[in-house]
Amino acid sequence: KAGVTQTPRYLIKTRGQQVTLSCSPISGHRSVSWYQQTPGQGLQFLFEYFSETQRNKGNFPGRFSGRQFSNSRSEMNVSTLELGDSALYLCASSFQRESTDTQYFGPGTRLTVL
Amino acid sequence: AQSVTQLGSHVSVSEGALVLLRCNYSSSVPPYLFWYVQYPNQGLQLLLKYTSAATLVKGINGFEAEFKKSETSFHLTKPSAHMSDAAEYFCAVGTSGTYKYIFGTGTRLKVLA
Repeated sequence: KAGVTQTPRYLIKTRGQQVTLSCSPISGHRSVSWYQQTPGQGLQFLFEYFSETQRNKGNFPGRFSGRQFSNSRSEMNVSTLELGDSALYLCASSFQRESTDTQYFGPGTRLTVL
Repeated sequence: AQSVTQLGSHVSVSEGALVLLRCNYSSSVPPYLFWYVQYPNQGLQLLLKYTSAATLVKGINGFEAEFKKSETSFHLTKPSAHMSDAAEYFCAVGTSGTYKYIFGTGTRLKVLA
């Protein structure tokens, strides 16, 4: 079974631009979560989607948004990029509706903002 | 509110020695606890998971962890370190209904030859 895939793997943008990251979950998984990983802040939860509905959101500004499609694929968008948005963005998928189900992580998208 | 504390951001052990990575949690409701490993330039891989079925949890690659409610701990151990264990390890807590994990700050394990 294929794992979680994220595209692109690497991205370089400049301040003020916007970016869209994509995540394809494991087949059959309906929950997708997004995390931001930085050396200073560690792993921080961005948001989680299940069946196209956002069920929880972390403490990030409105510039960070996401969505999920009917095939469970998810995208996250960051508008008006800032230097501090440089990070590894990780997507995780899980099978069921229960939040304590195991999350399986993708390899991440490394975003660099210049 | 939930939280996770990993004691020691860097741990060094000799090859063949015991690995002990510490994790303490705070949760007002029964927690679900996880250990993940991250190798350079990769995502997180699940090592093991505690869901209240058994306090001693065995995971992949010879790792195990013991849930101790009285100490609010979930330390990760491996009897004999291997060079390939060098990586960063994350403890995480989840609770029913929150749909998210809270991660610790990570412990980078170095294995010395």
